[in-house]
Amino acid sequence: SQQGEEDPQALSIQEGENATMNCSYKTSINNLQWYRQNSGRGLVHLILIRSNEREKHSGRLRVTLDTSKKSSSLLITASRAADTASYFCATEKAGNTPLVFGKGTRLSVIA
Amino acid sequence: DTAVSQTPKYLVTQMGNDKSIKCEQNLGHDTMYWYKQDSKKFLKIMFSYNNKELIINETVPNRFSPKSPDKAHLNLHINSLELGDSAVYFCASSERETQYFGPGTRLLVL
Repeated sequence: SQQGEEDPQALSIQEGENATMNCSYKTSINNLQWYRQNSGRGLVHLILIRSNEREKHSGRLRVTLDTSKKSSSLLITASRAADTASYFCATEKAGNTPLVFGKGTRLSVIA
Repeated sequence: DTAVSQTPKYLVTQMGNDKSIKCEQNLGHDTMYWYKQDSKKFLKIMFSYNNKELIINETVPNRFSPKSPDKAHLNLHINSLELGDSAVYFCASSERETQYFGPGTRLLVL
């Protein structure tokens, strides 16, 4: 069954603005990951946050995890047109269990 | 020097045909996967192999048969193709938690 659910489904912002995407999940997890998919391409790993972590940064990306609410957010600061893509969260429950992906948020950054 | 490569990139075929998709990774990873992404962008795991051995087989019809001749390759053979098999199929590999995806194979069954 589907684990992650991203919100919103689609987001359109101006270049330079911040973009926030949310992910909710249903069961306990080991880690949560965010991936980006450009149109017609494969997914690219962005960042991983473990269940014992609350916040993580990587460049212009900031990820938070609230295990009590079973939710995560991905913040992209100072967005660029090149950030236009679909963003997926994926959860891993335990070792050797498959990643379960949400349906993604389509982000459009308008120059 | 692509990390995870798939061939072909596009595959258009008639219902009832048998087709194969090949995947190769040069990252030295032990684990490889096949995913199916439907028209609504929902990505679902199909199979996972670790060092040539099947470790995950989600609810996939028997018409789909993965084959791993060595740990760098995981091919997907599909028998008796159906209209509902039309999708984008992604291969991926991993060593720990992070997965590395191929560019995808767009399969259209007519």
